[in-house]
Amino acid sequence: DIVVTQSPDSLAVSLGERATISCRSSQSVLHSSNNKNYLAWYQQKPGQPPKLLIYWASTRASGIPDRFSGSASGTDFTLTISSLQAEDVAIYYCQQYFTPWTFGRGTKVEIK
Amino acid sequence: EVQLVASGGGLVQPGGSLRLSCAVSGFTVNSNYMIWVRQAPRKGLEWVAVIYSDGSTYYGDSVKGRFTVSRHNLQNTVYLQMSGLRSEDTAVYFCARVDMSSLMDVWGQGTTVIVSS
Repeated sequence: DIVVTQSPDSLAVSLGERATISCRSSQSVLHSSNNKNYLAWYQQKPGQPPKLLIYWASTRASGIPDRFSGSASGTDFTLTISSLQAEDVAIYYCQQYFTPWTFGRGTKVEIK
Repeated sequence: EVQLVASGGGLVQPGGSLRLSCAVSGFTVNSNYMIWVRQAPRKGLEWVAVIYSDGSTYYGDSVKGRFTVSRHNLQNTVYLQMSGLRSEDTAVYFCARVDMSSLMDVWGQGTTVIVSS
């Protein structure tokens, strides 16, 4: 199985500041048929299911604010929250859906 | 409105059985891929079982041979029959829709399974 490694485990950021979370896959998740990275980001708040934020590594899901962005470089992926808001406090997971499905261990984002 | 409602969790003894349900509204389960994902306490997310629109099913290694995923088209519900339960199966179980590119795009609220004597 493809291993997805996330870092850091936790992150404390001041309101309005940038938060950056990294994710690395153990092998490529780029599909040759469509040249897309099968990498998604989810946000999970306590007592709630994960919520899709980003797919294809950089496409925002419907209704997701544009302060959330994703990028890719080879097997390295980044989720950036450009200006942290109080409602962004959550655990963030990356996931590869290339084959079959594996998740990172999560990054807890808190307010500094 | 798309909605997935999971139910059926509870406390069960090791070796016991339990059936989880995922009632769906807003789309039809037999036209989509549906998956069960679990989250053990203080652990990450792990896919458990998937049923494709053609009825084929696949399982994660940790549950193969013990869990069975199925669906009832008229009731628009997906099930997870769990048997031979172990303490390590203790988790919150989520159902989710999987799109044609294998992306889990919509999730339901979870149902909690506790395996303990």
